[in-house]
Parts: sequence; C-alpha cells; structure tokens
Amino acid sequence: DADVTQTPRNRITKTGKRIMLECSQTKGHDRMYWYRQDPGLGLRLIYYSFDVKDINKGEISDGYSVSRQAQAKFSLSLESAIPNQTALYFCATSDLTSGDTGELFFGEGSRLTVL
Amino acid sequence: GQNIDQPTEMTATEGAIVQINCTYQTSGFNGLFWYQQHAGEAPTFLSYNVLDGLEEKGRFSSFLSRSKGYSYLLLKELQMKDSASYLCAVMDSNYQLIWGAGTKLIIKP
Repeated sequence: DADVTQTPRNRITKTGKRIMLECSQTKGHDRMYWYRQDPGLGLRLIYYSFDVKDINKGEISDGYSVSRQAQAKFSLSLESAIPNQTALYFCATSDLTSGDTGELFFGEGSRLTVL
Repeated sequence: GQNIDQPTEMTATEGAIVQINCTYQTSGFNGLFWYQQHAGEAPTFLSYNVLDGLEEKGRFSSFLSRSKGYSYLLLKELQMKDSASYLCAVMDSNYQLIWGAGTKLIIKP
C-alpha cells in the first residue's frame, strides 16, 4: 500500500459542484501539503499544514479550503468548482526534523476535470 | 519575485550523458532538490544539495553553486526508463519549496 493515498484518483464534475479530495498518510509526518500541477507550470502550493491545529494558505488558495482532521488526514475542498480548477492535484508530506532534508513524499495524484 | 528556470525539453540518446540545468532567484536558500516525474505519476525525490559541490548517487549526480544560483542534474548511461520530467525546486528562507516548471527529457534509441 502507498504511504500517501489520495482519493479519488480521477473525477469529472460540473461547474458549481462541491468537490472534496482526500489524502491520508501512514508515514507519521506532521507536515502535509496540497499542490496543483498544470501543463507548463511548476507545482503550485494551495495549502499546507504543519500540524493538526495549523493551516496555512499557499500561493493559490483562492477557491479552495482544507481540513486537517487528524495527523494522518488532510482534505482539500472546492466549494464551487470552476473549469480553470481542472488540474492534477497532489498531496504530499514531509518531516523537517534534525538531519532530515525536508524531502516531500507525494501521493499518486488526483486528476480533476471541471466541465 | 522568486524564480526557477530550467529548459522546457531536452532530447538525448540511450547510453549517452545529459546535463539538465537549473538557475534560481529566491528569498533565501535552504537547499535545492531534484525530483523525477514520469508522465501521469507523482514526483519522486532524486537529490538534495545544500552545500556547493557535486553529490553523486549512482548514475545521477547533482551539482550546486550557491554564489551563481545554479544547479545541474547529470544523468549518465541513459536508459529508456529515464524518459521523464525533471523538476528543480529550491527551499527558501521560510522553508517553502519554489518549483521550476520541469524539464521533459526524451530518450531516443
């Protein structure tokens, strides 16, 4: 089983619908992230969380919200999806502790299409 | 602003050597990462440089010059499975990762 699991892996929805992407991890990491990836662009950070009570906006948080339900779970919601939110979404974890490089561990991605 | 530049696409021949360059301008520096991403898959960690010099790991090596804001990833003895995108990312002073758009590497027989 993957250490970082995302569901759903693929989703097609319509404009205006609410969508939730879920992420769970078994790595025991405190830090979790949501990124989106679009062709020709670098990964862009949507939200990140350094522990259960910590939520921070990233570079492109408008139109998104998150919930850190537990150390192992971090969900991303699109309250009212729009077509330009069509993208590949990645959840990632890291554990920046002494001696650690802060390497990110990614889930397999959730491909979202908004019609 | 913060910026990471790397070539959009490169082509190389199986068995050859290829060097993928990355230049960066960031607010502070806490390390540079290279990730490999096959089409439709998640990025996977390749290397991390925080001090100047060359880090070698099997067929892959990564070089860093902090004074020049420059890094390269060197892939030797290229194999068809090395066809992928290679992402350069820099950790800034806030320990946030700034990502380049990636270099798509095409390996030809």
